Order: sequence, then structure tokens, then C-alpha cells
Amino acid sequence: LAKTTQPISMDSYEGQEVNITCSHNNIATNDYITWYQQFPSQGPRFIIQGYKTKVTNEVASLFIPADRKSSTLSLPRVSLSDTAVYYCLVGDISNRGSTLGRLYFGRGTQLTVWP
Amino acid sequence: DVKVTQSSRYLVKRTGEKVFLECVQDMDHENMFWYRQDPGLGLRLIYFSYDVKMKEKGDIPEGYSVSREKKERFSLILESASTNQTSMYLCASRADRGGRPQHFGDGTRLSIL
Repeated sequence: LAKTTQPISMDSYEGQEVNITCSHNNIATNDYITWYQQFPSQGPRFIIQGYKTKVTNEVASLFIPADRKSSTLSLPRVSLSDTAVYYCLVGDISNRGSTLGRLYFGRGTQLTVWP
Repeated sequence: DVKVTQSSRYLVKRTGEKVFLECVQDMDHENMFWYRQDPGLGLRLIYFSYDVKMKEKGDIPEGYSVSREKKERFSLILESASTNQTSMYLCASRADRGGRPQHFGDGTRLSIL
């Protein structure tokens, strides 16, 4: 299973764009990249998921280079409410793989947004 | 919207008690998961189930068991609670189709005294 490395913490100010990079050098062919957000005393919330190139939804963008050994979560114009822990996960999310869709959560990145 | 409901937000039990944590999802998901979350350790998978009456051990199954009698409900059982099982417990579910994300409940903060 691919191990991920992401910064322990990041700081930003309201209105700025925030980019959180995750390294996953051992990513396998069938692995997808998934990002979750977690607020204190709540369960993780799915943000975005991708396999290659760029994925965008109403919340964030996910940039994945051709070699897929890293990925970058981009949050446009953050606000105070974006202060949370962000997790990068890599895994075979289909049930066809031996992992049966299991996800492995690391320690995540604590993003703090200041006024 | 997917709803994963955990029966209690906070629970206090005593050492040696048998503890039941309940999780219900309303989206007819085949797969369900139990994690625990501890400071500095992230989320760790205890057990998961890919269908009714099916279960698989996760990374830290010792001291726990699970039950999946109905598709919408996945129960975590602490057979004889110990203080080192004090933690935040999170339940998740997902559809059994490739590419679907896991959806989490808001957790049960369990204290064993």
C-alpha cells in the first residue's frame, strides 16, 4: 500500500489560495488519490478524488502530474471555516483489488486560516 | 445526501463492561467500516464488512468484534472494555461500486473508566 507524506501543518490568511502537496512515490497502477477534510469532533468529509491530470469540483481542485508520485489539493480563496485537518489517501478504492476499498489515513495536514 | 448515524456522541463505561456502538446508514451501502482515532495516530481501521453477515479484520481488531445482521446497521462490540480503548470511534459506509468514497458519521467519543 502506498504511503503518503504531507506537511504536518500550514497557515494561511482569508482570501488566499492554499495548496497542500502530498507525496506518494509508491503509488500503484490501480490506486486513486482521495482527499478528506476533518473538523474537530466530526467525522472526515470527502472533498475530492482523482486518478490523473486535474479534477475540479465546487470545493477544490486536485492536480496530479503524469508520474502520479505526488498530488496537490488546491483550495481557492480560503475562509476561516476552512480551518481543519486535511488527509491525503492513496489506495485501490475498487473492490476488485485485494484491499477491498480500504483506506489508510495518515496524520493529515492541519490547515489554520487566519483573519 | 448520505447519512451515517452513530447512536451516541459521548459514552462513558467502566472497565470490564461489554460495550455496543451502533452505526446506521441510509443509502443502502454494501460496505461499512469501523475506525478509531487517537491523537498523533490518525485513523486506524478496526473491522470492515463488505456485505451482510460478512466481516474482515482491519489493522487493530484485538479486543473488538462486529455484527452485521442487516445491511444498514454495523455494530462494534467491545467484549470487555479496557482503559486503552478510550478513543473516538468513527463509522463509515460506501457503495460497492468502484470509485465511490467513504462517508463518515460524526463519531462516538468513548471513555472507559
